[in-house]
Amino acid sequence: AQKITQTQPGMFVQEKEAVTLDCTYDTSDQSYGLFWYKQPSSGEMIFLIYQGSYDEQNATEGRYSLNFQKARKSANLVISASQLGDSAMYFCAMRERNAGNMLTFGGGTRLMVKP
Amino acid sequence: DTGVSQNPRHKITKRGQNVTFRCDPISEHNRLYWYRQTLGQGPEFLTYFQNEAQLEKSRLLSDRFSAERPKGSFSTLEIQRTEQGDSAMYLCASSPLRMNTEAFFGQGTRLTVV
Repeated sequence: AQKITQTQPGMFVQEKEAVTLDCTYDTSDQSYGLFWYKQPSSGEMIFLIYQGSYDEQNATEGRYSLNFQKARKSANLVISASQLGDSAMYFCAMRERNAGNMLTFGGGTRLMVKP
Repeated sequence: DTGVSQNPRHKITKRGQNVTFRCDPISEHNRLYWYRQTLGQGPEFLTYFQNEAQLEKSRLLSDRFSAERPKGSFSTLEIQRTEQGDSAMYLCASSPLRMNTEAFFGQGTRLTVV
């Protein structure tokens, strides 16, 4: 089974609107962390936001927030007030304490912001 | 610049040749990861070091691949007898030991096997 599933290969959003990028995960570990990264066309992986499995509140970082629903095993990224510079690939990733602490990535979602 | 550094940025090699990539992590980071990313896909885990110990290796890491991290500082990834299917971006990342911290990525080495 896929550890991280991102079901949206591509998404369009109008500039200044909010957008939600979906991520579901599969783990039997009680202790894990969920991460979102942005990869622009230049190729570097840019960390956006982190959510720990024991965190009771949803993480927020500026225009980014993580809608964490533990029972559903989902960790969707919400980007508010989209900007043209948000156009990029977005990857959801998970680190499990009992799985060597490596990051496992989903297949990504390409976000395109329309002016 | 105190980020993760990877060299070279680009490498073109003929099939059958050996190549070696280098990664210099952020200096205080104990963990170092190698990933491979093909076009349109997410990064795939290859191997992981904690200090100088190689703790995890993916099944993707065939016998032609070897990675080292002598003295727990920089790391090298060598591919022997390259094949066209090895063409990809090779990403290195490092992180502290704490569970709740992100991994910092280098800009990658793009390998093209012709």
